Amino acid sequence: SQQGEEDPQALSIQEGENATMNCSYKTSINNLQWYRQNSGRGLVHLILIRSNEREKHSGRLRVTLDTSKKSSSLLITASRAADTASYFCATAWSGGGADGLTFGKGTHLIIQP
Amino acid sequence: EPEVTQTPSHQVTQMGQEVILRCVPISNHLYFYWYRQILGQKVEFLVSFYNNEISEKSEIFDDQFSVERPDGSNFTLKIRSTKLEDSAMYFCASSALRAEDEQYFGPGTRLTVT
Repeated sequence: SQQGEEDPQALSIQEGENATMNCSYKTSINNLQWYRQNSGRGLVHLILIRSNEREKHSGRLRVTLDTSKKSSSLLITASRAADTASYFCATAWSGGGADGLTFGKGTHLIIQP
Repeated sequence: EPEVTQTPSHQVTQMGQEVILRCVPISNHLYFYWYRQILGQKVEFLVSFYNNEISEKSEIFDDQFSVERPDGSNFTLKIRSTKLEDSAMYFCASSALRAEDEQYFGPGTRLTVT
């Protein structure tokens, strides 16, 4: 089965620095989505990138997708304390009919003021 | 901005009891989902629902689980006889026109089975 796996598992940076998180998966996908989760809270959708796209931007977020390497990266520029959260990638399988997302274990990002 | 809502936010129940978790998806969305997250673990897909029937379900979604859209707005997850291992955060999600669209999640219901 496919599986999204993020690395690093934890990342601590200074406010204002850029944060990069990576995600790898195993099977063909329709799309890959990134979510944020604050401790004990719900999942906030950040950005979706489709399998035929290579890069996408949304505000301070930049996502890349390399389907040949089955990997994606999420870059948060000019980080803020409020960006402290866990970040998950989730993939939608391209096999047809399998529309549930498969989540990775997440990267816990800490922004130090 | 439209959002997915879930009730209750926290449910405590005794082992063997039935629970119903409720969700109101975003109003013009057509696809609905339930996921769960056991404390400290990954978010896991349970079931998807489209056109008043289950579209896909995972191995976790066994006979003790059921879903229903009893009216035009609510989407429910029923656990028939709860077990200790059902303790988790349960998330409802919805997507607009296609399963490949963005899935928007509710805040979750924390289920504690004692």
